[in-house]
Amino acid sequence: SQQGEEDPQALSIQEGENATMNCSYKTSINNLQWYRQNSGRGLVHLILIRSNEREKHSGRLRVTLDTSKKSSSLLITASRAADTASYFCATASRVQGAQKLVFGQGTRLTINP
Amino acid sequence: DVKVTQSSRYLVKRTGEKVFLECVQDMDHENMFWYRQDPGLGLRLIYFSYDVKMKEKGDIPEGYSVSREKKERFSLILESASTNQTSMYLCAATSPTYNEQFFGPGTRLTVL
Repeated sequence: SQQGEEDPQALSIQEGENATMNCSYKTSINNLQWYRQNSGRGLVHLILIRSNEREKHSGRLRVTLDTSKKSSSLLITASRAADTASYFCATASRVQGAQKLVFGQGTRLTINP
Repeated sequence: DVKVTQSSRYLVKRTGEKVFLECVQDMDHENMFWYRQDPGLGLRLIYFSYDVKMKEKGDIPEGYSVSREKKERFSLILESASTNQTSMYLCAATSPTYNEQFFGPGTRLTVL
């Protein structure tokens, strides 16, 4: 089955720097989503990019999608200590009346004050 | 905002016990999902339901079953818990009008 794979697995940067995380996947998709998870908690949706879009912005987040390379990137600008979390990409396809998501393994982001 | 709640944050059970994990959502969403999350493996879909009494196997359904008798409630059942089912279990809900899934806080299950 298709799978998003994040790169790097872990990233540690100084507060104020930009953080870039990458995601690759294997099959065609309806959309690609990014989620954030604070330690020991559920996931929270951050941003969605449709298969016919190339770039999307939301606040300090910027997502790009290259369907020819089957890859996406999430950029967090001007990072803050509160951005410390795990970030997951998820590829979406429609199955039996529901939108099924396939998640990658995640990138653990640490922002050092 | 959609609220998804799970019956327990932490649960400890013994091998062979029957385990019920409950998930309730308050926004009348048709679709509900159960995932497990393990280090290095990310989230993997166990089962999902696209409507009441409807269920579909996900990627790793073995050793699990589900029940969806009411729209707001989706239960995950471990018929005979085993140590390899020790994991974090996450429930999510959505509807066809949304693209994002709304997650509960998770249940960390330990099987001894």
